[in-house]
Amino acid sequence: GESVGLHLPTLSVQEGDNSIINCAYSNSASDYFIWYKQESGKGPQFIIDIRSNMDKRQGQRVTVLLNKTVKHLSLQIAATQPGDSAVYFCAEIFNDYKLSFGAGTTVTVRA
Amino acid sequence: DAGVIQSPRHEVTEMGQEVTLRCKPISGHDYLFWYRQTMMRGLELLIYFNNNVPIDDSGMPEDRFSAKMPNASFSTLKIQPSEPRDSAVYFCASSSGTEGTRVTYEQYFGPGTRLTVT
Repeated sequence: GESVGLHLPTLSVQEGDNSIINCAYSNSASDYFIWYKQESGKGPQFIIDIRSNMDKRQGQRVTVLLNKTVKHLSLQIAATQPGDSAVYFCAEIFNDYKLSFGAGTTVTVRA
Repeated sequence: DAGVIQSPRHEVTEMGQEVTLRCKPISGHDYLFWYRQTMMRGLELLIYFNNNVPIDDSGMPEDRFSAKMPNASFSTLKIQPSEPRDSAVYFCASSSGTEGTRVTYEQYFGPGTRLTVT
């Protein structure tokens, strides 16, 4: 399944499939990006980050891709599990330590 | 470490009352952030501190909001007087700022305080 930017804030994906969550960021001067996961009733939890001098970074079951030309960020989750159901936020840094968060994408995993 | 600790977890108050939210950051973290989360506006940064000093409070909505950090292990966010539009979840987050010799911007969030103003 795939969501596009902030205009489709929900994503439904079959358990075991790969998920792709997209994010369009606003500031071409941003030099650092983070993906957070927020489960219901909890605070956001760090997933993975990437600096602007990189195009790709991989973690455990997750990959972040950065396309600075079109100011686009994506998070790929491999073999999506029920525990991946949450709201996912991208955030950018363009001024000191101030994180600017996107609106979020709600991911629902179907059994 | 227990992570970022916030209290209370839930607060219900009447319009006009003073509300104080509390935060204990992760020990050793030099940065502390206060955020507000609503359905309409998402996650907004209100203010952040570095070494107990307020660095940027441009996100504080108005003079009814104030934040303090008297020491490295404690911060408060106060709303006086509170209004129904202040109803939201308020998060505190902390960051070390460095990971070894590398600068890190990773922020660790607390569980939040759900504030309801009636």
